[in-house]
Amino acid sequence: KAGVTQTPRYLIKTRGQQVTLSCSPISGHRSVSWYQQTPGQGLQFLFEYFSETQRNKGNFPGRFSGRQFSNSRSEMNVSTLELGDSALYLCASSQPDQAGANVLTFGAGSRLTVL
Amino acid sequence: DAKTTQPPSMDCAEGRAANLPCNHSTISGNEYVYWYRQIHSQGPQYIIHGLKNNETNEMASLIITEDRKSSTLILPHATLRDTAVYYCIVRVAGLLQGGSEKLVFGKGMKLTVNP
Repeated sequence: KAGVTQTPRYLIKTRGQQVTLSCSPISGHRSVSWYQQTPGQGLQFLFEYFSETQRNKGNFPGRFSGRQFSNSRSEMNVSTLELGDSALYLCASSQPDQAGANVLTFGAGSRLTVL
Repeated sequence: DAKTTQPPSMDCAEGRAANLPCNHSTISGNEYVYWYRQIHSQGPQYIIHGLKNNETNEMASLIITEDRKSSTLILPHATLRDTAVYYCIVRVAGLLQGGSEKLVFGKGMKLTVNP
């Protein structure tokens, strides 16, 4: 089955602009999580959505937001971009097994460069 | 979630077994051990997970000590393509946390497989 698809793969923005990133999860997966990866901070959790509801949120400013649609596809938005927002943004989808273990499948990421 | 400790790096010869250690001395009874890896600039890839028993799949074996305070990921015949950062994560089963999924990635361990 198809994996997690993220678009766009690469993008360049300037400070003050906003950006929207898209994630299509594996078919049947209802949970979508977003992570930011930078050389200095590593992989950091942004937020997680399940059935169009945000269930968990990381420690990021309100400029970072997201949503999930009824088909489980998700978008995240970053407004008023700052140089420090340059990062690889990763989306992961998951569905727990009967025992409750939850394996995340990650997409290839969207590489954002802010100039 | 319990904290994990991994050595920062390890080298392994191609064709030999790679044994990657992880310490999770504060793990609780309902926490799984998950292993992911990230090859440069790609999204993390799930490898294996376990609760109490040793586990094996097509990629690796996971050996969990009887007291569950540490584990070892074994790549039986390392190849150059196994060069990556490996993350050991402990996580309560999602269903026990209301289903919310949030992985806390540490710095991981850089495995370099040498020819």
